[in-house]
Amino acid sequence: GAGVSQSPSNKVTEKGKDVELRCDPISGHTALYWYRQSLGQGLEFLIYFQGNSAPDKSGLPSDRFSAERTGGSVSTLTIQRTQQEDSAVYLCASSSSGGYGNTIYFGEGSWLTVV
Amino acid sequence: QKEVEQDPGPLSVPEGAIVSLNCTYSNSAFQYFMWYRQYSRKGPELLMYTYSSGNKEDGRFTAQVDKSSKYISLFIRDSQPSDSATYLCAMSEYGGSQGNLIFGKGTKLSVKP
Repeated sequence: GAGVSQSPSNKVTEKGKDVELRCDPISGHTALYWYRQSLGQGLEFLIYFQGNSAPDKSGLPSDRFSAERTGGSVSTLTIQRTQQEDSAVYLCASSSSGGYGNTIYFGEGSWLTVV
Repeated sequence: QKEVEQDPGPLSVPEGAIVSLNCTYSNSAFQYFMWYRQYSRKGPELLMYTYSSGNKEDGRFTAQVDKSSKYISLFIRDSQPSDSATYLCAMSEYGGSQGNLIFGKGTKLSVKP
């Protein structure tokens, strides 16, 4: 597809379970971002991958959160031992290196509910 | 104090009105300023992008940046019901694909026919 693709679009999980969220960026985009959007809150930066450089993990809220990006393309965000406060929309975005400004293209998000 | 402050609204206007959306920020190092539009249950989409101070116009939309006051605005002329969405300001110190954006909480706009 032409845009950023995320799966699953909706996920309901029990507290304490692990979840994996997948992001397929726009083909050729070297930069990939994960953001979290909680109800009534703005977008909160989680992690940023750029090419083969070490990722910027400065936004990850705890060690229960991790992300990897395989082959410079698809990324997986993993949340271990989920808590109710993890309920949010997890948005993935990508951009091309050297593009005009931060022209970041977002996916439609993975809506996570922890019960 | 949060780095970026944005009035969450909601803001309701009649069709055809001029809409003014604003954000203030505290980090004087921000140089790149963006406005995103987010429809319900969709990802944000880039609407306007400006570098440093000044104005930028694109159709019915005008973005203004006043770095001396640490204040940015988005104006929508002749607003339409299709403009009903949440508008998020975002900013960063760096251009290109060089790092994360800092977002405001978003202002929910409703344009009534």
